[in-house]
Amino acid sequence: EDQVTQSPEALRLQEGESSSLNCSYTVSGLRGLFWYRQDPGKGPEFLFTLYSAGEEKEKERLKATLTKKESFLHITAPKPEDSATYLCAVASGGSYIPTFGRGTSLIVHP
Amino acid sequence: KAGVTQTPRYLIKTRGQQVTLSCSPISGHRSVSWYQQTPGQGLQFLFEYFSETQRNKGNFPGRFSGRQFSNSRSEMNVSTLELGDSALYLCASSTGTSGQETQYFGPGTRLLVL
Repeated sequence: EDQVTQSPEALRLQEGESSSLNCSYTVSGLRGLFWYRQDPGKGPEFLFTLYSAGEEKEKERLKATLTKKESFLHITAPKPEDSATYLCAVASGGSYIPTFGRGTSLIVHP
Repeated sequence: KAGVTQTPRYLIKTRGQQVTLSCSPISGHRSVSWYQQTPGQGLQFLFEYFSETQRNKGNFPGRFSGRQFSNSRSEMNVSTLELGDSALYLCASSTGTSGQETQYFGPGTRLLVL
């Protein structure tokens, strides 16, 4: 059974204070790892898809990296508008359904 | 390209009633998945439809059902509502062909059961 663990559960940062969110996974045959951002009461917004170890993707202040066991979402010089819950999900084997982690709640103080 | 849309956005029902939620996927997407999200349980997979057939099913009771139409639009039905069914119900669409494509989510339907 696929398992996805995100840490920390919650993170408070000052504006401009860079940090990283972690997504550890245990799957049989990774097909893809996905990062989403979710604002309260809204649907998850797609950020990145990573397919193989060593792959990196960037978007504004966010950078996602992938190894064989985990993925990191690096946030550089965050702003208050980056405050949200960040969800990680993995797709594996023959399943068309990704397994989601519980998310990391990020608050960035001005 | 228009995103995933869900209607209604908010619903208030009482215990014992039934409810139907609707989801229109991104044009060209044939897979529609439904999720229940609560603060205590996170995102839980309900079921997935592909080309009008239920292809995957999560671990939810039979009160939760769904269907997909020929235009890929999907509906989810919950019968005999319970207080614990109060949640954000999310729909996600994808092409559904490779098992590694990205799912795109709608804004969700907030259901409150009184």
